[in-house]
Amino acid sequence: GDSVTQMEGPVTLSEEAFLTINCTYTATGYPSLFWYVQYPGEGLQLLLKATKADDKGSNKGFEATYRKETTSFHLEKGSVQVSDSAVYFCALSDHRGRGSTLGRLYFGRGTQLTVWP
Amino acid sequence: KAGVTQTPRYLIKTRGQQVTLSCSPISGHRSVSWYQQTPGQGLQFLFEYFSETQRNKGNFPGRFSGRQFSNSRSEMNVSTLELGDSALYLCASSLARIGDQETQYFGPGTRLLVL
Repeated sequence: GDSVTQMEGPVTLSEEAFLTINCTYTATGYPSLFWYVQYPGEGLQLLLKATKADDKGSNKGFEATYRKETTSFHLEKGSVQVSDSAVYFCALSDHRGRGSTLGRLYFGRGTQLTVWP
Repeated sequence: KAGVTQTPRYLIKTRGQQVTLSCSPISGHRSVSWYQQTPGQGLQFLFEYFSETQRNKGNFPGRFSGRQFSNSRSEMNVSTLELGDSALYLCASSLARIGDQETQYFGPGTRLLVL
């Protein structure tokens, strides 16, 4: 079945350091891929997404490229800030056939990022 | 445009009781999904509703149920609560446009504690 494997945390970085959080997936079809972020005490916020191979999603300095050949969607940021401290989730949405409008999300276990000033 | 809202935000119940959680999707969104988040199991899919019909269901016991109303608002119910039901319950809505791989937008969640 569909699944997402995400780099285990926690990840601790100094401000302005480079961030990579690895994410790989298993899917039978051609899923869409997402990164969500969760701040303490809050729900999930969409960070970025990519819907087909070689697409690059980007937002707030974060980027991830949909790599079908390596089934990966790694999250990167060139210079992290203290305000980026949160839990990051990689997710995929399965495709359920022509004409289907619906899909469920499969999530990785999340990666806790802490950025120190 | 207002985001997904969930009520109540916090809830304390005792074992054996039942609970109903409510979710109002973003205006115009027709699909509502529910997820359970726990430290041990992570984020797990409960069920998904579209046009008042359950279209997909995760691997949870029958104590977990839900419904969707004609205005797309949704409720989920958990009967005979167990300690292990303590979790953050997240609701997500999407446009469910035909042919699109739509994005799900999440609410702030309801944190349920079962004593």
